[in-house]
Amino acid sequence: EAQVTQNPRYLITVTGKKLTVTCSQNMNHEYMSWYRQDPGLGLRQIYYSMNVEVTDKGDVPEGYKVSRKEKRNFPLILESPSPNQTSLYFCASSSWDRAGETQYFGPGTRLLVL
Amino acid sequence: QKEVEQNSGPLSVPEGAIASLNCTYSDRGSQSFFWYRQYSGKSPELIMFIYSNGDKEDGRFTAQLNKASQYVSLLIRDSQPSDSATYLCAVNSGGFKTIFGAGTRLFVKA
Repeated sequence: EAQVTQNPRYLITVTGKKLTVTCSQNMNHEYMSWYRQDPGLGLRQIYYSMNVEVTDKGDVPEGYKVSRKEKRNFPLILESPSPNQTSLYFCASSSWDRAGETQYFGPGTRLLVL
Repeated sequence: QKEVEQNSGPLSVPEGAIASLNCTYSDRGSQSFFWYRQYSGKSPELIMFIYSNGDKEDGRFTAQLNKASQYVSLLIRDSQPSDSATYLCAVNSGGFKTIFGAGTRLFVKA
């Protein structure tokens, strides 16, 4: 079954305590992306990766880091979380072929930074 | 700042009617356009993508793109209560950056 998994699904932490949200896909997709979703703002892209070791900033990269050492994994790292990073985070993976685009989102990670 | 605008709604339509969802974008260089459906508490789900001017149909869904007017729409024919969700418009400007609208809430009344 095609799947994007994220862990943890829920996390409460305190300001400044480093955390990592993992994302893994089983579809051999080259493209992966992280988004945050806040009420009234829709989805905003944080970082994306076109392939292993190739990443680039999205619209709201400040305060986040990513890495892509393996094709299946794309972790999101918050080195020093702050309350304004409280949000719902989604990881997504995509591929393109002649039929068009295939994309899957993970189930989301709800983060609360106190 | 590149923008994607959607009416937040809610848009309410009776069961069986056509629901029309609209989206405008600011970047004339945009090349790929997407519609997602997001049920409350769930992940977004890609339902339509369109790259060229004109209409693209898939079942009860039709995406319409007018690049000259910087306008993309989604029509849902024979709307069902199960179509009640938030619909997100997204635009990609040829690279891999994707800009989303804030979404339109749709209610289909039985």
